[in-house]
Amino acid sequence: KAGVTQTPRYLIKTRGQQVTLSCSPISGHRSVSWYQQTPGQGLQFLFEYFSETQRNKGNFPGRFSGRQFSNSRSEMNVSTLELGDSALYLCASRHGQGNTGELFFGEGSRLTVL
Amino acid sequence: DQQVKQNSPSLSVQEGRISILNCDYTNSMFDYFLWYKKYPAEGPTFLISISSIKDKNEDGRFTVFLNKSAKHLSLHIVPSQPGDSAVYFCAASIRTGTASKLTFGTGTRLQVTL
Repeated sequence: KAGVTQTPRYLIKTRGQQVTLSCSPISGHRSVSWYQQTPGQGLQFLFEYFSETQRNKGNFPGRFSGRQFSNSRSEMNVSTLELGDSALYLCASRHGQGNTGELFFGEGSRLTVL
Repeated sequence: DQQVKQNSPSLSVQEGRISILNCDYTNSMFDYFLWYKKYPAEGPTFLISISSIKDKNEDGRFTVFLNKSAKHLSLHIVPSQPGDSAVYFCAASIRTGTASKLTFGTGTRLQVTL
């Protein structure tokens, strides 16, 4: 079956702009989470959605937001972009709501802020 | 505050030898640990996991060891193969929380040479 699909794969924005990234989970997976990967920081948890509800949130400012649709597809938005937001944004899906089941990651959306 | 630490940013091992990747954590609430492997331009893929009730888990060439008293885990790859060359991330979670909220280390780049 198809894996986690993220669009766009690459994008360039300038400071102050906003960006929306999209994620389609594996079919049947209802949990979608987002991570930011930067050099030296590893992967940092942004938030998780399940059944259109945000279940958990990491330590990121309010400029970072997300949502999930009824078909489990998810979007994340970053407003008022800063240079430090340049990163690889990874989406991951999981089947259940509980505490089992591995995360399946997409290939990521690489954002460059100039 | 980096709760999961991978102190070796890189490791070079000869083909056929053992690769040992190390990971330390500080949060004693973590009770589930995972290793992910990441190739360039791809998302991380799940490799192996271990629950805190165990001290060892084996899957083919991959074995993870957990030393709870030292808050240390390690991944052993035997024998190492050139295809194992990738970045390896250690991750931890609290199972009473959500399995999607993983705390990752900063990664170790493994290079397996011929």
